[in-house]
Amino acid sequence: GAVVSQHPSWVICKSGTSVKIECRSLDFQATTMFWYRQFPKQSLMLMATSNEGSKATYEQGVEKDKFLINHASLTLSTLTVTSAHPEDSSFYICSARHRVASTYNSPLHFGNGTRLTVT
Amino acid sequence: GENVEQHPSTLSVQEGDSAVIKCTYSDSASNYFPWYKQELGKRPQLIIDIRSNVGEKKDQRIAVTLNKTAKHFSLHITETQPEDSAVYFCAAWKGVFGTGTRLLVSP
Repeated sequence: GAVVSQHPSWVICKSGTSVKIECRSLDFQATTMFWYRQFPKQSLMLMATSNEGSKATYEQGVEKDKFLINHASLTLSTLTVTSAHPEDSSFYICSARHRVASTYNSPLHFGNGTRLTVT
Repeated sequence: GENVEQHPSTLSVQEGDSAVIKCTYSDSASNYFPWYKQELGKRPQLIIDIRSNVGEKKDQRIAVTLNKTAKHFSLHITETQPEDSAVYFCAAWKGVFGTGTRLLVSP
């Protein structure tokens, strides 16, 4: 149980275009989803916390107008990288926490990640 | 916000040795401390976690200890095996991760 599906697994796009990444919890409902960015050989950098039905909470230094997050249902959150540039190339990974976990004391379930390359 | 520091950044051990990775956190309200293992190109996988009402938890060769007063927690791997080689991350309760430790177990 607790499967998180992330799509696409990789994408190549041209500079200036927008890319949407989907994160779905397949067998559970997730009130909260997290979006991370990971550079090679580095840690997972928390970008934002996505809350179902409300605005996402962005970490300091993350541009909310560039990285649009929508969490319209209990099983789906999307991250849209708008007007992508080569420096946005990275590995993006989402995670979800089970809805039953009303506080933060439960594990995160991760998607497989999306490798974005902007040319 | 929460700040999580992790040490060491790399750790090389011989097969059969023990490995210890340490993390400190800043938010005294944190009450949940997971450890994740990430193999190259794959998603992080939870390997063990501990909640603040206990000081130690063990699962076969893996154990985690927690010192809430000092705000640090540690991962202990005994009898290491080559397949333990990976990057290990600690995390604080609100999804903030430590910087990671690259563990290399040599045969």
